[in-house]
Order: sequence, then structure tokens, then C-alpha cells
Amino acid sequence: DQQVKQNSPSLSVQEGRISILNCDYTNSMFDYFLWYKKYPAEGPTFLISISSIKDKNEDGRFTVFLNKSAKHLSLHIVPSQPGDSAVYFCAASSQNQGAQKLVFGQGTRLTINP
Amino acid sequence: GAGVSQTPSNKVTEKGKYVELRCDPISGHTALYWYRQSLGQGPEFLIYFQGTGAADDSGLPNDRFFAVRPEGSVSTLKIQRTERGDSAVYLCASSLIAGGDEQFFGPGTRLTVL
Repeated sequence: DQQVKQNSPSLSVQEGRISILNCDYTNSMFDYFLWYKKYPAEGPTFLISISSIKDKNEDGRFTVFLNKSAKHLSLHIVPSQPGDSAVYFCAASSQNQGAQKLVFGQGTRLTINP
Repeated sequence: GAGVSQTPSNKVTEKGKYVELRCDPISGHTALYWYRQSLGQGPEFLIYFQGTGAADDSGLPNDRFFAVRPEGSVSTLKIQRTERGDSAVYLCASSLIAGGDEQFFGPGTRLTVL
């Protein structure tokens, strides 16, 4: 049972344009969401997070949007840069179900084309 | 280095053998996590330590898997009677405190069971 789903295995975007990565979840107990970025042969690196009490969090070029009613979150990267090419994972956790246990999606491979 | 380190980076073993994977967390981080990432999937939670004790081992797939953290710092994941299905990248992460805090990941150990 995949509680966190990233339905797009890959995404290709032109440099300078906006990249939008999507994530859906099924567990209504999730109340904290994170995005991680992963380069080959490296561990995932934290990018940005959002608590369920918010619907938007922004950090430089990265913005995460949360739609609780739709159980959907998205990561916007603007403008996209070649160094953003990586695999992006969304993850979720629940304060009531073991906040330390992150549940990850399958990942989306983002390619930024020059 | 200030990051999470894992050794070995690669481990090839034969079916039925015993393996140990080591994780050195960031100094001062009290919480330590093990995840497993199979090909094409996101990381999957295995076990979490708060200090020396395993606070949540609900992700360990069966009793062939065991992990220890005897002094509250370095952790070892032990797999007995390895099977081909155990082949994956084993990721370790640490965080300053448990729950709702950013987890910092190591580069992982790629385990291949022949």
C-alpha cells in the first residue's frame, strides 16, 4: 500500500522555466511533509518542508504547496537550473504515528535541459 | 567530514552469508535511522534509534535483520542468511532530535546478494 505517490517517474524542463513536481498521499494522519533531492551515489538531501497548518512555504527558488483537502503537495522550482537535475522524493510523517518515520514516494527524475 | 558516513560503500556477498553495515552519524545527533531503497523506489523505513535504544523497529522485514547502537553513536545493521531480495541501497540518517526534524542522510551502502 503506497501511502505516498509520485506518479511521474520523470520530468524534463527547459532551463529558466518552472519545474513542478507533484506528490499525492492517502494517509490523512500525515501532518508534516518534506522534499528531498538526490544525486547519483549520494544520499538524499533535504530541500524544503511544510507543516499541515500551512498551505505554502517558500525558500528561494523553491516553493512547496500543500492542498490538504486533495491530499496533494507540489514543489515548484523557478527558475530551473541545470544543477537542479536530480531525483526528487517527497516524504511525509505523522506526529501521532511516529514522527521520526518518514514515508517516501517513488521519486521523480527531473532533467533540466540547457 | 561533518556528514553522516557509511561503510562499506559497496558490499557483494553470496546468498546465505552474514553482513554488517556501519553508520557513523553526525556528532551530537541523538536520533539515528536506517532506510532501505530498492531499485526504482523511494527509501523505506527500517528502524529508528533514540540514543542507544531501538525506539521503533517496525520496518524491519523479518528476524534476519537486526541493528544495534551500543554507545548511542555508531550503529551497525546486521543481516543474517542474506537472500537475493535483500539487494538494495541501505541508507542511514541522523537528526539532532527525534520527530519533525530534518534527517541528514549518508551516501548509503549498496548491498548485492548473488
